[in-house]
Amino acid sequence: DIVLTQSPLSLSVTPGRPASISCKSSQSLLNSDGKTHLYWYLQKPGQSPQLLIYEVSNRLSGVPDRFSGSGSGTDFTLKISRVEAEDVGVYYCMQSMQLPLTFGGGTKVESK
Amino acid sequence: QLVESGGGLVQPGGSRRLSCVTSGFTFNTYAVNWVRQAPGKGLEYVSGISRNGIDTFYARSVKGRFTISRDNSKNTLYLQMDSLRPEDTAVYYCATKRQWGQGTLVVVSS
Repeated sequence: DIVLTQSPLSLSVTPGRPASISCKSSQSLLNSDGKTHLYWYLQKPGQSPQLLIYEVSNRLSGVPDRFSGSGSGTDFTLKISRVEAEDVGVYYCMQSMQLPLTFGGGTKVESK
Repeated sequence: QLVESGGGLVQPGGSRRLSCVTSGFTFNTYAVNWVRQAPGKGLEYVSGISRNGIDTFYARSVKGRFTISRDNSKNTLYLQMDSLRPEDTAVYYCATKRQWGQGTLVVVSS
């Protein structure tokens, strides 16, 4: 199975400041179709996960542009340019390069 | 939209069938998955099924005990869970890569 390792485990961020989360894969997530199958989700308290970013860097419609994804191969990053109070929750990366789908362990983002 | 149902309290060794009714998208064009989250824990893939229902995949932890199926005429996904164990206690989500349901809680306890 592909292992995704997220860091840090938690972040305490002052509103208006940036935040960055890393996701490292045990295998390349670049498929023969030319796509890289790495996704980012946010699970707000008491809610189900919601997709933010698909295929490394594509923001889902309606996701604020303060969220951005980057990376390639095995190393990926989610950045929030200016954290807002509504951004708190647990962020997960997920790969769909290979079954089983696997998830990073999660990064809990809190507001200072 | 994806709406799960069927969760509840079940005794160890018992069975439960989860359903996920979908709407708002063309169900038969999407592979669909079950993902679970134990209390206070992260996300764990359980099972997935291809668009036409022919190909299925199971996590090692549930293989041989759980069965995934779908009825494209009803836009519905199912998960038959047999020989349940306490460690299967979790919120079970029905999910495509883009959209997740609200989840249904399964508690396995005597």
